[in-house]
Amino acid sequence: AQSVTQLDSHVSVSEGTPVLLRCNYSSSYSPSLFWYVQHPNKGLQLLLKYTSAATLVKGINGFEAEFKKSETSFHLTKPSAHMSDAAEYFCVVSQLDTGRRALTFGSGTRLQVQP
Amino acid sequence: DSGVTQTPKHLITATGQRVTLRCSPRSGDLSVYWYQQSLDQGLQFLIQYYNGEERAKGNILERFSAQQFPDLHSELNLSSLELGDSALYFCASSVAEYMGNEQYFGPGTRLTVT
Repeated sequence: AQSVTQLDSHVSVSEGTPVLLRCNYSSSYSPSLFWYVQHPNKGLQLLLKYTSAATLVKGINGFEAEFKKSETSFHLTKPSAHMSDAAEYFCVVSQLDTGRRALTFGSGTRLQVQP
Repeated sequence: DSGVTQTPKHLITATGQRVTLRCSPRSGDLSVYWYQQSLDQGLQFLIQYYNGEERAKGNILERFSAQQFPDLHSELNLSSLELGDSALYFCASSVAEYMGNEQYFGPGTRLTVT
């Protein structure tokens, strides 16, 4: 079975400082991994995805994530936070599970950006 | 704007009632997914349809059902509603048949059961 753990439920940073949102997964097979962002009262939007190509994945709005198989991690980073980055972020893992593709969402990390 | 539309935006109803939520996928997408998001359960996958047929089932209650029509829009039916069914219900769509690809989410329907 697969699972995904977002290690922080809340992260607070100052505008202009780096962002790190942590995600660990467990998976029996090579997974596909995604980060989605949800702004207040909005649906989820895809930030980036990893599908066994380059381990460093670049997404929209300056975000990137690195797939580290040895650490089973897929942490999301951004060099400099902007006020508009304040939102909830979800790490998602997709893999074959008993012959079917299954999608598992992390519990989410709420990012606050202080002026 | 993801291109996925959901109606209604808000719905308030009483316990024991039945409601229908509607979703239109992005143009060209054949897969539709339904999710429930609540404070205590987080985001839960309910069910997926691909080109009119059920493809995958998640944590969907027996009181809930869904279908996808020939024009590819989908409806989620919730019956015998309970207070605990109050949540945001999202629809997402993708072009692929399987769940490994990215999905595009609608703005959601907020259901309040009183």
